[in-house]
Amino acid sequence: DVKVTQSSRYLVKRTGEKVFLECVQDMDHENMFWYRQDPGLGLRLIYFSYDVKMKEKGDIPEGYSVSREKKERFSLILESASTNQTSMYLCASSRPRDGTGGFYEQYFGPGTRLTVT
Amino acid sequence: AQSVTQLGSHVSVSEGALVLLRCNYSSSVPPYLFWYVQYPNQGLQLLLKYTTGATLVKGINGFEAEFKKSETSFHLTKPSAHMSDAAEYFCAVSVTNAGKSTFGDGTTLTVKP
Repeated sequence: DVKVTQSSRYLVKRTGEKVFLECVQDMDHENMFWYRQDPGLGLRLIYFSYDVKMKEKGDIPEGYSVSREKKERFSLILESASTNQTSMYLCASSRPRDGTGGFYEQYFGPGTRLTVT
Repeated sequence: AQSVTQLGSHVSVSEGALVLLRCNYSSSVPPYLFWYVQYPNQGLQLLLKYTTGATLVKGINGFEAEFKKSETSFHLTKPSAHMSDAAEYFCAVSVTNAGKSTFGDGTTLTVKP
């Protein structure tokens, strides 16, 4: 069974702390994603990685960075946490486009609910 | 650019009634369309997807969706709602080379006994 795991389900951090959110997938997927989910705003893409050491900014990258040193692991880093980064963070992975140009679905982890006080 | 609009942030139906969740997309090229479901305190999981070919797509748990190019719609339906269908539903579209998806804001489905 395919699986995306996230290091913590719940996390409480203080303003100004450096925060690491870890995501691991066991499906050998090239693509990995970090989203932020807030009520009424749906899912907003923070960063996207399409290969090891490759990354691309999403819609809301400010205040975040990412690291992908191994194919199966994609880390989201909050350099200096702020209260407006209190949110649910979702990691996902997918295969790249197929030979006919088709897109594959994304597989999601259970999420990390981060509270910054 | 691609975008998705889900009409109605909250939908309430009685158990056994028809479920209809609306999704309209905007895309300048043929889209790939997805519906995902999120149960409380869980991540999203795929319900169904439209790629090419048959416009009526069947998914898990009795859900189906019809791709209508002329209306740029991909509405999700289920003939008879069950209490276990209560969840948040997201429509998504993929058209870019990178394989990223754009998600709608979500629709919360409530099922009344």
